[in-house]
Amino acid sequence: EVHLVQSGAEVKKPGESLKISCQASGYSFAKWWIAWVRQMPGKGLEWIGVIYPDDSDTKYSPSFQGQVTISADTSIDTAYLQWSSLKASDTAIYFCARREASSHMRYWGQGTLVAVSS
Amino acid sequence: DIQMTQSPSSLSASVGDRVTITCRASQSINNWLAWYQQKPGKAPKLLINKASTLEAGVPSRFSGSASGTVFTLTISSLQPDDFATYFCQHYHSYPWTFGQGTKVEIK
Repeated sequence: EVHLVQSGAEVKKPGESLKISCQASGYSFAKWWIAWVRQMPGKGLEWIGVIYPDDSDTKYSPSFQGQVTISADTSIDTAYLQWSSLKASDTAIYFCARREASSHMRYWGQGTLVAVSS
Repeated sequence: DIQMTQSPSSLSASVGDRVTITCRASQSINNWLAWYQQKPGKAPKLLINKASTLEAGVPSRFSGSASGTVFTLTISSLQPDDFATYFCQHYHSYPWTFGQGTKVEIK
């Protein structure tokens, strides 16, 4: 059975760095794209980007290009989303999801809350 | 980028009502569209892919249809468990985009 388990909630200050994770199980992690999605408080869903873990091919939404970095470690079946300098506007829940062959997203992580405040 | 315009943003309905939610794509997406249901504090749940293919385990009261660039999610008889927010999402090409969401509330 496919499972995506995300790291726990984070409380950070503006300017700090952060890396959150999404650990996969139940399938061949390297061979399926993983997507990241943002949901700001009380708002809708925004697609951040995707990564193919086997070769680290990555696609970003123009809205997030240069703002975040998506990576993956196939030795531990884990994908990451990271920031080098957080802003208050990064406060949101971040979800990872597996991209299916037809590109919809069937399996989702439980979400990671990132709160950025001085 | 392909824009997805979803309507209405919210609606109030009663148990047993027929509910229709619409998404319009800014250009052709060849039916590469998914519908998701999200409840507070939870991850989205995939209901429908390829515009009209019902996910395994999703009740048959949910259905999806397409006409050109206009896509519809229909709940034929609203049940208490269906009160949630619904999102459409295209996956025709990068960047994928979501509709703004429709919150279905109890009348």
